[in-house]
Amino acid sequence: NAGVMQNPRHLVRRRGQEARLRCSPMKGHSHVYWYRQLPEEGLKFMVYLQKENIIDESGMPKERFSAEFPKEGPSILRIQQVVRGDSAAYFCASSLKDAHEQFFGPGTRLTVL
Amino acid sequence: KQEVTQIPAALSVPEGENLVLNCSFTDSAIYNLQWFRQDPGKGLTSLLLIQSSQREQTSGRLNASLDKSSGRSTLYIAASQPGDSATYLCAVQSGGSYIPTFGRGTSLIVHP
Repeated sequence: NAGVMQNPRHLVRRRGQEARLRCSPMKGHSHVYWYRQLPEEGLKFMVYLQKENIIDESGMPKERFSAEFPKEGPSILRIQQVVRGDSAAYFCASSLKDAHEQFFGPGTRLTVL
Repeated sequence: KQEVTQIPAALSVPEGENLVLNCSFTDSAIYNLQWFRQDPGKGLTSLLLIQSSQREQTSGRLNASLDKSSGRSTLYIAASQPGDSATYLCAVQSGGSYIPTFGRGTSLIVHP
């Protein structure tokens, strides 16, 4: 009974490259949230998705960042043309329904050189 | 805009003490409040979820209460142990699209 899976756990990119972060929700969960956590800062909401739909992306930068949750396969957070300021831990969480308990993955630690 | 504050930011106690962590939020129109713990370099582990219609939830040595009208929740940890050392985060879900807002956490150290 796997929990929320994220890969890769660690990702190193050079400035200008693309970063793709994957999140597989818990079995049966169709709601996925992405967060970013910077040292000395709190957990910041980025985007909320349900299968094939973006419900709320108000926390995601308008440029370079995109997210999807296809009918089949994991949710993907994509960061194009990464900059050093994108270095952070990115977490995803899944839930069974709206306003239900969230379960978190172990995170992907992105380092931009 | 929902804002969540956690006090204290850090806490150091000897093993065996009972302790209370506080969480306050500005918009009382919430769906639920969830407490998590986060160990260094790890993800978040869910501890307790309180729906807006509930007053408290208990799990083992943990008890969380919710006073929605005053915008407050407390997490009570009984008989603290060194293994309880972690950062404790609270989060509320509110708004039309159930957006979660997190506090910045309370860093707890329980020393033997």
